[in-house]
Amino acid sequence: GENVEQHPSTLSVQEGDSAVIKCTYSDSASNYFPWYKQELGKRPQLIIDIRSNVGEKKDQRIAVTLNKTAKHFSLHITETQPEDSAVYFCAASGKSATNKLIFGTGTLLAVQP
Amino acid sequence: ETGVTQSPTHLIKTRGQQVTLRCSSQSGHNTVSWYQQALGQGPQFIFQYYREEENGRGNFPPRFSGLQFPNYSSELNVNALELDDSALYLCASSRSSGGRGDTQYFGPGTRLTVL
Repeated sequence: GENVEQHPSTLSVQEGDSAVIKCTYSDSASNYFPWYKQELGKRPQLIIDIRSNVGEKKDQRIAVTLNKTAKHFSLHITETQPEDSAVYFCAASGKSATNKLIFGTGTLLAVQP
Repeated sequence: ETGVTQSPTHLIKTRGQQVTLRCSSQSGHNTVSWYQQALGQGPQFIFQYYREEENGRGNFPPRFSGLQFPNYSSELNVNALELDDSALYLCASSRSSGGRGDTQYFGPGTRLTVL
């Protein structure tokens, strides 16, 4: 069945360092890959997304890369700040009648000041 | 913040009871998806409504049902509540359904506790 694996489950970095979170998806028909940030008790917030016709996308300190052949995609956060601390979820959506999202298990990012 | 709203914020029920959760979609969006997020896990897709019809369902039993109204707001109903139904229920609205990767914007969620 459809599955998204996410690593690591926890990540601790020093303020100013970079953070990388990796995901692997199983459905080769997947064509849309969003990343959500969820602070404790809050809604998931879209921070960046990428579609399968693009290999990389950047928005200020955040970038996402996609390797369709290997079915991998990654989130890169540079110059991390304490306010980046949260749980990050990757997700994948495929070419079906519904644009349902299959989520990874989440990464708890802690940025130490 | 998105324009997606949910009510109520919190709810406490007992086993066997029934519950109705509500979601108002963002303006211009005709599709609402519902997700269940257990503590410490990623959201799990329950079902999606597109133009008032169910348009896809995840691996949830029939006691999870829903509705979408002409203004595209939606309800999630859960009958015969079980302890494992305790979770954060999230709705997400998008401009459309289908395999075009329309962005989904989440509401704040309803925290359901079943005792």
